[in-house]
Amino acid sequence: EVQLVESGGGLVQPGRSLKLSCAASGFTFSNYYMAWVRQAPKKGLEWVATISTSGSRTYYPDSVKGRFTISRDNAKSSLYLQMNSLKSEDTATYYCASHSSSSYNWFAYWGQGTLVTVSS
Amino acid sequence: DIVLTQSPALAVSLGQRATISCRASESVRSSMHWYQQKSGQQPKLLIYGASNLASGVPARFSGSGSGTDFTFTIDPVEADDIATYYCQQSRNDPLTFGSGTKLEIK
Repeated sequence: EVQLVESGGGLVQPGRSLKLSCAASGFTFSNYYMAWVRQAPKKGLEWVATISTSGSRTYYPDSVKGRFTISRDNAKSSLYLQMNSLKSEDTATYYCASHSSSSYNWFAYWGQGTLVTVSS
Repeated sequence: DIVLTQSPALAVSLGQRATISCRASESVRSSMHWYQQKSGQQPKLLIYGASNLASGVPARFSGSGSGTDFTFTIDPVEADDIATYYCQQSRNDPLTFGSGTKLEIK
């Protein structure tokens, strides 16, 4: 059974940093592109970042480019999201998600999410 | 960015058909996918590539369309289908989602 378990969320002040983690199990992690997707309270879904199987390629929307960094450790089956210069509009539940095999398309599996609140 | 437009809500009677539409601001070919999100839960993939049923998803769910106009159908609707349904495109960067359609039971 595929499992994605996020951690690292919490309350953080504007301008500060936070690092999220995602522990994956139940599938061959190194064979899959991975991603982060967020959802602001009572709002829709927003793609945040994607990383290739080896970690050599990363993709971001303009809203987080230059502030967020996605990374992975295939030996540990773990995904990370380093978030810097956080803003109030970054407040959201952050989901770890797997793309389909070695491609950057739909989100096949999702974790339960971790809440990040940016507030003074 | 490609904008995906969905109706905000739909009310359907149990046992009837629910049809949810998603219109893209430009062609995404068949790179359209559908998700179900129940209250307080993470999203779940239902349809990928416009019409392919994800693993373990009941055949009551289906998708169709290509280019800019897509349809997601539940037939028949069951009580457990109460949720918000999102479309998502992967034709162009950035990946974008529709704003979601909330399915309610009449």
